[in-house]
Amino acid sequence: TQLLEQSPQFLSIQEGENLTVYCNSSSVFSSLQWYRQEPGEGPVLLVTVVTGGEVKKLKRLTFQFGDARKDSSLHITAAQPGDTGLYLCAGLFNAGGTSYGKLTFGQGTILTVHP
Amino acid sequence: SQTIHQWPATLVQPVGSPLSLECTVEGTSNPNLYWYRQAAGRGLQLLFYSVGIGQISSEVPQNLSASRPQDRQFILSSKKLLLSDSGFYLCAWTRRPRGDEQYFGPGTRLTVT
Repeated sequence: TQLLEQSPQFLSIQEGENLTVYCNSSSVFSSLQWYRQEPGEGPVLLVTVVTGGEVKKLKRLTFQFGDARKDSSLHITAAQPGDTGLYLCAGLFNAGGTSYGKLTFGQGTILTVHP
Repeated sequence: SQTIHQWPATLVQPVGSPLSLECTVEGTSNPNLYWYRQAAGRGLQLLFYSVGIGQISSEVPQNLSASRPQDRQFILSSKKLLLSDSGFYLCAWTRRPRGDEQYFGPGTRLTVT
């Protein structure tokens, strides 16, 4: 069973600060997604990374995929209260070349940005 | 554009009662469909997934079942609810055969009393 270790579990910061969330595994991902979820709602897909070393930017969010495709990070610059929420990473482990796969989710990072 | 619906949004049911949660997707055809449960706003546990009508794969042994009677309809059921079935149930879909880039519905909050 593949596991995703996501850290930290909780993050409480002041508006304007920077932060980084990490997602690690001992297995190689075929692809990795980052989601953001607000209370009482479903997760919303932010980004997909598939190539080792890939970097994607979404406004103040920067997503990085490790060269070996075993880890990923989400960096938020100048956090705002609107960034508050649960951030989830989810990896696709395509062992054996199956035609369809299942996402494995990390346990999430609860981010609170105080005004 | 694609839209995914779930209902009901909230449900309070007594122990031992039946359950039926419905999920429908609009604007796409032949999606992969998924049921997840989320406890206390943390990680998601995959319960069932389906790659086609009548094709259901179960991930976790439990008293829940799933069915896919139509291409874009996915139903989660139980004959007798347990207290441990309480949680936030999420339906998701993807058009990608390998199962990544999933899009989630708004969820159903189930409380078993």
